[in-house]
Amino acid sequence: DAMVIQNPRYQVTQFGKPVTLSCSQTLNHNVMYWYQQKSSQAPKLLFHYYDKDFNNEADTPDNFQSRRPNTSFCFLDIRSPGLGDAAMYLCATSRGKVEKLFFGSGTQLSVL
Amino acid sequence: GQQVMQIPQYQHVQEGEDFTTYCNSSTTLSNIQWYKQRPGGHPVFLIQLVKSGEVKKQKRLTFQFGEAKKNSSLHITATQTTDVGTYFCAGPFATRANNLFFGTGTRLTVIP
Repeated sequence: DAMVIQNPRYQVTQFGKPVTLSCSQTLNHNVMYWYQQKSSQAPKLLFHYYDKDFNNEADTPDNFQSRRPNTSFCFLDIRSPGLGDAAMYLCATSRGKVEKLFFGSGTQLSVL
Repeated sequence: GQQVMQIPQYQHVQEGEDFTTYCNSSTTLSNIQWYKQRPGGHPVFLIQLVKSGEVKKQKRLTFQFGEAKKNSSLHITATQTTDVGTYFCAGPFATRANNLFFGTGTRLTVIP
C-alpha cells in the first residue's frame, strides 16, 4: 500500500545532542510537510517542500532544519534539542499545495 | 495574527447523543478540511469543502462551510464509541494560500 513512513516511532535524545527524524513516501506526492504536535495541541506547521522548493514558517526556530534529497525522502534535523522540543513530529504529504494531507504515524521525541 | 479556533475544546457525550464542533477563522479560508485523530494516532483526512455554503454528508457526519468562508461545522448524529478522538478543522488562509493551518481541535469522548 502507498503510504507515508516515519522512523523511528520513538526517539530519545539528550539535551543539546543533534537528532534527525526521517520520513519517506511511496505516494509520489509533490509536497512534503513537517508538523510539530505537543500534547493536547493542534499540529503546528514547521516547514514544507513543494518539490525542491523549501518554505519555512516565520516562527520556526533556527534550530530546526530540513532536507529533501529526492521526491521520496524528507528529513528533519534538530541541531541542539531543548526540553521544549519534546513533541510528536508528524510528516505529511499532499499531491498539490493545500490538497488533503496524508500523515505518517509520527515520531515521538523525548529530550532528556 | 491569523488563527483558527474551535469550540468546544472538549465534549463528553453519551453514546447515541449528537455532537457538533464549530470552527472559526479570523480570516477568509480558501477551503476547509476536517481531520480526525484517534488517541495515540495521527490525523486522518475526512473531507474537504470548497464552496461558500457547501454542505456534505458522510453517513452520520454532516459538514458545513459558512457563507463567508470563515467558519465551518461538523455534526455527528447518534455518536458511537468509534467516534472517539480529536476533530481538527484545517484550512489555507486566502492571503497565505500555500499553507494549511490547523484549528485548535475538539476532543470527543463517548461514554458507552
